[in-house]
Amino acid sequence: QSALTQPASVSGSPGQSITISCTGTSSDVGVYNYVSWYQHHPGKAPQLVIFEVSSRPSGVSYRFSGSKSGNTASLTISGLQAEDEADYYCSSYAGSNTLIFGGGTKVTVL
Amino acid sequence: QVQLLESGGGVVQAGGSLRLSCEASGFTFSNFGMHWVRQAPGKGLEWVAFIRYDGSNKYYADSVKGRFAIFRDKSKNTLYLQLNSLRVEDTAMYFCAKELIGYFHYMDVWGKGTTVTVSS
Repeated sequence: QSALTQPASVSGSPGQSITISCTGTSSDVGVYNYVSWYQHHPGKAPQLVIFEVSSRPSGVSYRFSGSKSGNTASLTISGLQAEDEADYYCSSYAGSNTLIFGGGTKVTVL
Repeated sequence: QVQLLESGGGVVQAGGSLRLSCEASGFTFSNFGMHWVRQAPGKGLEWVAFIRYDGSNKYYADSVKGRFAIFRDKSKNTLYLQLNSLRVEDTAMYFCAKELIGYFHYMDVWGKGTTVTVSS
């Protein structure tokens, strides 16, 4: 399977909202609601920020939200803060007990 | 607190073998499925393997099937990944991660990773 498609980079000013897209196929994102998003500050452990398309784990800021339409899932970060600068990865169940990740999106806070 | 600590990475020649370890603490290890995920230099994350909480089922990415083996030792609270027939393209940071309970599909705790370099 090919990786899910994400933009290489997204940027925004503090306080703004940004949205990261994650495009898959009718074999993964389009057919399963098992979509998740991870935040990764290089050198640190990645962190789950969204699961099951739009659910937030305990302790994750309300500023993170997720959605899905067809074969594309999205992560929105509202009220952008300096600490949100990181790499973000989407993931989806791809059937047959396998998972697939996106190529990652570097978020820059201007 | 909940923690995962990987070790065992290093430099190995193509065709060689390596065993990675992931020591778990702060939670009941035997109650959770565990994953290995890797990240090649400059690339995105790639799911590698999963083992159920009791070791009864193991799943692998096609890219490593037949070469890598995931297993666990509940007496040592440790997850392992045996890497055999290594290829240059297996060069990556390897992370272990704990499943979100009841959900194979999500990983709610990750380690910081251990680096594997395969030389030609």
